[in-house]
Amino acid sequence: SQTIHQWPATLVQPVGSPLSLECTVEGTSNPNLYWYRQAAGRGLQLLFYSIGIDQISSEVPQNLSASRPQDRQFILSSKKLLLSDSGFYLCAWSGQPGEKLFFGSGTQLSVL
Amino acid sequence: DQQVKQNSPSLSVQEGRISILNCDYTNSMFDYFLWYKKYPAEGPTFLISISSIKDKNEDGRFTVFLNKSAKHLSLHIVPSQPGDSAVYFCAAINSGTYKYIFGTGTRLKVLA
Repeated sequence: SQTIHQWPATLVQPVGSPLSLECTVEGTSNPNLYWYRQAAGRGLQLLFYSIGIDQISSEVPQNLSASRPQDRQFILSSKKLLLSDSGFYLCAWSGQPGEKLFFGSGTQLSVL
Repeated sequence: DQQVKQNSPSLSVQEGRISILNCDYTNSMFDYFLWYKKYPAEGPTFLISISSIKDKNEDGRFTVFLNKSAKHLSLHIVPSQPGDSAVYFCAAINSGTYKYIFGTGTRLKVLA
């Protein structure tokens, strides 16, 4: 069966520090991968999606970036965090568009 | 531009009664719709989905209705249970793209 791993579960970072969140999927090949963010009291905002290695689409201009160095690995990064980057970050995968989207357990990021 | 809207931020229902959660969308190209349940500090879990070629889909206590002419879908939970208390998100995708667009969520509280 397919599983998705996301870590860390919680992270507290100072403003201006770098960020790296990692997500891996097991039990499937060539998944479509996604990063979403839920800001406090808000919905799920699509940040990035990827349909293949090194194929990244950005949905929201910001100081975040994403990379997909391997088929089942998706990384969210920042060189310098802002206060507004605080939120709950979720990685997700799907097989094909129009199929179910499966989420990881999320990372609570607090930028102080 | 909010393409998927959940206009009710919260809903309270008595245990055993029906819960009806609503969702509206603006993009007529959406052809697959999903509902997710989310607890605090956890990733959303898939509940039920519906293709645009159908107008109803049932799975146990959960039924999703789709009204394409009104660009409206709803999730019915019957009977409601205290464990159903969570935030519910609707999502939509045009399967010709890769982007799952989520609403802002409705917090359901089932009162014992």
